[in-house]
Amino acid sequence: EPEVTQTPSHQVTQMGQEVILRCVPISNHLYFYWYRQILGQKVEFLVSFYNNEISEKSEIFDDQFSVERPDGSNFTLKIRSTKLEDSAMYFCASSDRGQIGELFFGEGSRLTVL
Amino acid sequence: RKEVEQDPGPFNVPEGATVAFNCTYSNSASQSFFWYRQDCRKEPKLLMSVYSSGNEDGRFTAQLNRASQYISLLIRDSKLSDSATYLCVVNRGGGGSNYKLTFGKGTLLTVNP
Repeated sequence: EPEVTQTPSHQVTQMGQEVILRCVPISNHLYFYWYRQILGQKVEFLVSFYNNEISEKSEIFDDQFSVERPDGSNFTLKIRSTKLEDSAMYFCASSDRGQIGELFFGEGSRLTVL
Repeated sequence: RKEVEQDPGPFNVPEGATVAFNCTYSNSASQSFFWYRQDCRKEPKLLMSVYSSGNEDGRFTAQLNRASQYISLLIRDSKLSDSATYLCVVNRGGGGSNYKLTFGKGTLLTVNP
């Protein structure tokens, strides 16, 4: 069964460092997303991406965050200068037909900022 | 009012029990509705979509009442493997055709032998 894969599974970083989280969506999918879940809290929408541009972003997705699809297969989330409160599980997701197709989540990347 | 509000739980039930989860949402423009399950420290996985007509998938039955902005999930004959956090999820629809899911905080279910 095709799946969304994410790397790294866990990253520990110092506050102020840049972090890049990588995702390989399902190959024929066109819509890509990042969500995050702070420990013990709900899953929150960060950003959606379609046709090589951001479709929508939440209030959480400020100037410290950026997304990119550099090579047609990877979909990355960059956090420029990490803060303690960025510690969370970050989930990548993709769908083939936007809201009509099923949304598939990756297993997540756990980010710990010290 | 929270965008998506669920029973806080946790629920502890014996195997074979019937358990019901309730959820309300605040945005009347919400477009589609789902129940996801999430195992500890894992990704959310789609359990079922929820339709106004109600829908059933084996032991699972979901209902949607748009007028009262209420969603429910019923699990019959619960199994040990049903132990998980159940997430009520509403799609507000993004710009264009994107998903923009709003998750409830989830209700933890533990099924005991």
